[in-house]
Amino acid sequence: GQQLNQSPQSMFIQEGEDVSMNCTSSSIFNTWLWYKQDPGEGPVLLIALYKAGELTSNGRLTAQFGITRKDSFLNISASIPSDVGIYFCAGLDYKLSFGAGTTVTVRA
Amino acid sequence: NAGVMQNPRHLVRRRGQEARLRCSPMKGHSHVYWYRQLPEEGLKFMVYLQKENIIDESGMPKERFSAEFPKEGPSILRIQQVVRGDSAAYFCASLEQETQYFGPGTRLLVL
Repeated sequence: GQQLNQSPQSMFIQEGEDVSMNCTSSSIFNTWLWYKQDPGEGPVLLIALYKAGELTSNGRLTAQFGITRKDSFLNISASIPSDVGIYFCAGLDYKLSFGAGTTVTVRA
Repeated sequence: NAGVMQNPRHLVRRRGQEARLRCSPMKGHSHVYWYRQLPEEGLKFMVYLQKENIIDESGMPKERFSAEFPKEGPSILRIQQVVRGDSAAYFCASLEQETQYFGPGTRLLVL
């Protein structure tokens, strides 16, 4: 699969702060997905993006599909302790190519 | 995990033994994807199967690894003569509406 560059690799934030992470690719994808993985569990889908330029929200989460179809970002507003985990971006071309993940740690 | 089942959740094997990992996709789905996740890394595609067919195995190591998805029963990922480097989490996924949903994974530890 293709290699996606995800940043930052990790972040420590205060409860209540906003979080932002992004992903870039050298290849075009028609679908971008954002997942969250808790320790010992499988990735859980957060947001799916299907159209270039699309901005989609899911509660405190907002994600955008870049106009070039080679990038995407995810924002988490007003973080809470349960936002702790690893967030992965993934591009889909019938199989998924994943970023390396962003580890989020929230300080209460 | 949207109905994707995997078992066992944890598997311990000694070097040289065989590991069999099972996956049942979402009900009514006939496509399965297998991914491997090494510690501190993202998931890497291994193989894509339909019932009784391997569609894409480009991510599968050439030796010791095999996968099947028979007409009846779960998909099986088989690792023969395991080595310590096979220790990882193995996930399968179902495809629905251009989105993949993952099972809880099997964590393989090779001693």
